[in-house]
Amino acid sequence: GDSVTQMEGPVTLSEEAFLTINCTYTATGYPSLFWYVQYPGEGLQLLLKATKADDKGSNKGFEATYRKETTSFHLEKGSVQVSDSAVYFCALSDSGGFKTIFGAGTRLFVKA
Amino acid sequence: EAGVAQSPRYKIIEKRQSVAFWCNPISGHATLYWYQQILGQGPKLLIQFQNNGVVDDSQLPKDRFSAERLKGVDSTLKIQPAKLEDSAVYLCASTPTGTADYEQYFGPGTRLTVT
Repeated sequence: GDSVTQMEGPVTLSEEAFLTINCTYTATGYPSLFWYVQYPGEGLQLLLKATKADDKGSNKGFEATYRKETTSFHLEKGSVQVSDSAVYFCALSDSGGFKTIFGAGTRLFVKA
Repeated sequence: EAGVAQSPRYKIIEKRQSVAFWCNPISGHATLYWYQQILGQGPKLLIQFQNNGVVDDSQLPKDRFSAERLKGVDSTLKIQPAKLEDSAVYLCASTPTGTADYEQYFGPGTRLTVT
């Protein structure tokens, strides 16, 4: 069945460092891909998404490109801030488009 | 606009007791989801409603879990009797339509501890 695998955390970075959180997926068909973020004490919220191959999703300085050839959707940010400390979830919509499957999440700590 | 509301935010019960969680989705959202998020894992879908009908409940442990959305608006998830392994955060989410290509809007969750 469809699945999402993302790098284990926690990831600890200093402010202004470059961030990459790896995400790969297994799916039949052409799923949509998402990154959700969960800030401390808050619910999950959509960070960005891409609906077809080679699309780039971007928001708040974060970017991810839908790579069909490598079945990946890695999250990147050029310069992280303390306020980016959160748990990041990679997700895909299944081939039928009715169910979202989440990865296990990667916790990011950014130090001042 | 108001977000997805959930209550209670926290609940502690003993095993074999029963518990109920409530969710009110964003106004006008036809699709409502209940997820279980165990510590260190991603959310796992328990049940999905389209208006007041069930679309998917394949991962709902039906011997102890039940859910309803009687008027196609708010929803209740119940566990009876609870087990230790039910300790988790229960998330409710909603979308305007039934396809997963759209952003899901999540509530703050209910943290359940079963002792």
